[in-house]
Amino acid sequence: DAGVTQSPTHLIKTRGQQVTLRCSPKSGHDTVSWYQQALGQGPQFIFQYYEEEERQRGNFPDRFSGHQFPNYSSELNVNALLLGDSALYLCASSLAMSSGNTIYFGEGSWLTVV
Amino acid sequence: QKEVEQNSGPLSVPEGAIASLNCTYSDRGSQSFFWYRQYSGKSPELIMSIYSNGDKEDGRFTAQLNKASQYVSLLIRDSQPSDSATYLCAVNDNSGYALNFGKGTSLLVTP
Repeated sequence: DAGVTQSPTHLIKTRGQQVTLRCSPKSGHDTVSWYQQALGQGPQFIFQYYEEEERQRGNFPDRFSGHQFPNYSSELNVNALLLGDSALYLCASSLAMSSGNTIYFGEGSWLTVV
Repeated sequence: QKEVEQNSGPLSVPEGAIASLNCTYSDRGSQSFFWYRQYSGKSPELIMSIYSNGDKEDGRFTAQLNKASQYVSLLIRDSQPSDSATYLCAVNDNSGYALNFGKGTSLLVTP
């Protein structure tokens, strides 16, 4: 049973560039959430996708956008990268109809903006 | 801004002792509570979930929830050096879709 998979694992970008991160949810899960974790901080909620729609969004600017595909996989796009966007980006999957909102994280994508 | 507060630590305990990790939250409407373990350079791993007042035990781990005091804790019995990690407390927001995380408590178990 495959867990949550993310790609790429590590990447380095220059300020002003754009980046796309990818995620495949755990088998049987239909909901994908994205979190940003800066060094020394807890993960912060970016947004959640369900049925190919953004269901909820956290306090992040419009430079952060996403997409969910019919197979439930998802992408996170960040435009006009800033140095402060350097962080671990975590994808989490869950099952919409399960109780308790239990989410499971992938291994994350480490983004460094220089 | 709904908050989840944890002591950053480090909390140092000797091998075999009980480690006690604490978390407070500000949103009285929260219904779901989670503890995640995060090793350095790795992603968070779910350890425990708890939804009702009282204790929930799973192996060496016990989660305790007191909604009236807005307090949730994690006890680790017979602590092992491999338990050394950062422990993140997470609480669902009022939409039920997002989790609010604390900054984590760093635990060091010394041999």
